[in-house]
Amino acid sequence: NAGVTQTPKFQVLKTGQSMTLQCAQDMNHEYMSWYRQDPGMGLRLIHYSVGAGITDQGEVPNGYNVSRSTTEDFPLRLLSAAPSQTSVYFCASSPTGTSPEQFFGPGTRLTVL
Amino acid sequence: RKEVEQDPGPFNVPEGATVAFNCTYSNSASQSFFWYRQDCRKEPKLLMSVYSSGNEDGRFTAQLNRASQYISLLIRDSKLSDSATYLCVVAYNNAGNMLTFGGGTRLMVKP
Repeated sequence: NAGVTQTPKFQVLKTGQSMTLQCAQDMNHEYMSWYRQDPGMGLRLIHYSVGAGITDQGEVPNGYNVSRSTTEDFPLRLLSAAPSQTSVYFCASSPTGTSPEQFFGPGTRLTVL
Repeated sequence: RKEVEQDPGPFNVPEGATVAFNCTYSNSASQSFFWYRQDCRKEPKLLMSVYSSGNEDGRFTAQLNRASQYISLLIRDSKLSDSATYLCVVAYNNAGNMLTFGGGTRLMVKP
């Protein structure tokens, strides 16, 4: 089991560019989510999905889109990158939407210039 | 006011010391509580759940005080490998989308 994988590990964008952060899990988990982590602020939920075809907004969804066409994959799209989106992005999964333990991917460090 | 507050530290302690972290939460309806560990530039990993009666896992003891709305983590006989950031996590219910993370407390254990 690879667990939760994320690509890329690092990315630098210019303001206004778009990109997709990839997340995949091989544990057959129903629940997947995206967080961003900024210094001193704790992880904040961007979007989440309780199963294929179902997504919903978290605490800070603006500027991000997600889709969940398969159980395994949950990509995060930045539509028009802004410097405020400079952060570390973590994808996480858990067996179901009510499983308290989240399994995190290694993170993507994004810098927007 | 943040929903989950932690002293960011760093706590600098010698090997073998006992160290305690506290965390306070604002939502009195919170039901589930956890401590996660995050190594430098790595992802968070679940360290332990926190139960009302308190619970212990080896050198780690977690306690919950619902009346005062705080959670504690005690680490005995600190090891160099305990150096990390400890995240307090509170859930309104067990749903993954209801987790609220504190900003973390950094621990540095020195030889």
